[in-house]
Amino acid sequence: EIVLTQSPVTLSLSPGERATFSCGASQSVSSNYVAWYQHKPGLAPRLLIYDASTRATGIPDRFSGSGSGTDFTLTISKLEPEDYAVYYCHQYGSSLTFGGGTKVEIK
Amino acid sequence: QVQLVQSGAEVKKPGASVKVSCKASGYSLISYYMNWVRQAPGQGLEWMGIIDPNADRTNYAQKFQGRVTVTRDTSTSTVYMELSSLTSEDTAVYYCARSKRWLHPYFDYWGQGTLVTVSS
Repeated sequence: EIVLTQSPVTLSLSPGERATFSCGASQSVSSNYVAWYQHKPGLAPRLLIYDASTRATGIPDRFSGSGSGTDFTLTISKLEPEDYAVYYCHQYGSSLTFGGGTKVEIK
Repeated sequence: QVQLVQSGAEVKKPGASVKVSCKASGYSLISYYMNWVRQAPGQGLEWMGIIDPNADRTNYAQKFQGRVTVTRDTSTSTVYMELSSLTSEDTAVYYCARSKRWLHPYFDYWGQGTLVTVSS
């Protein structure tokens, strides 16, 4: 099973700042099959990025994904107030596993 | 618009079973696959299984084999997840999540989640 490790666990940032989320895999993810989700309490998780770098339908272009092999990154270029949430990475190249999440809080 | 609406919270005793529903709207149920994912308190997300509503075929994570059953009712566009022999470790929020792929699925829409509490 591929273990995904997300860092940091918590990010404290102000609106307008750049947010960078890291997701490290214990082994190479085939075809870079990595997705990123945003999750707010009590709501359904929201798909942001799939196949490592493809933005999902309706996702603003301030969200971008990159990476390959074992290292993947989600970037929010300028934080908006609605972006404060928990972000999860997910690999679906070999079985299906998720990272532990990174929480973005207001600084 | 696509919506996945799940049934309400459940409280069950150890050893019992629970059945959670997920009603799809805004698209044809048989055109996409449906997955179940859970999140225990303070834990990460965990994939449980997938159903092809068109072919009525399923695939379950090894951890849940023999204990989980996913079914569908195409007449009501509803998918069900039943988990048996519950223990306190099954206390979690359960989500249904849609995917376009059977192999290598990512989830483009999720339900709002159903809290299942297992307690004596």
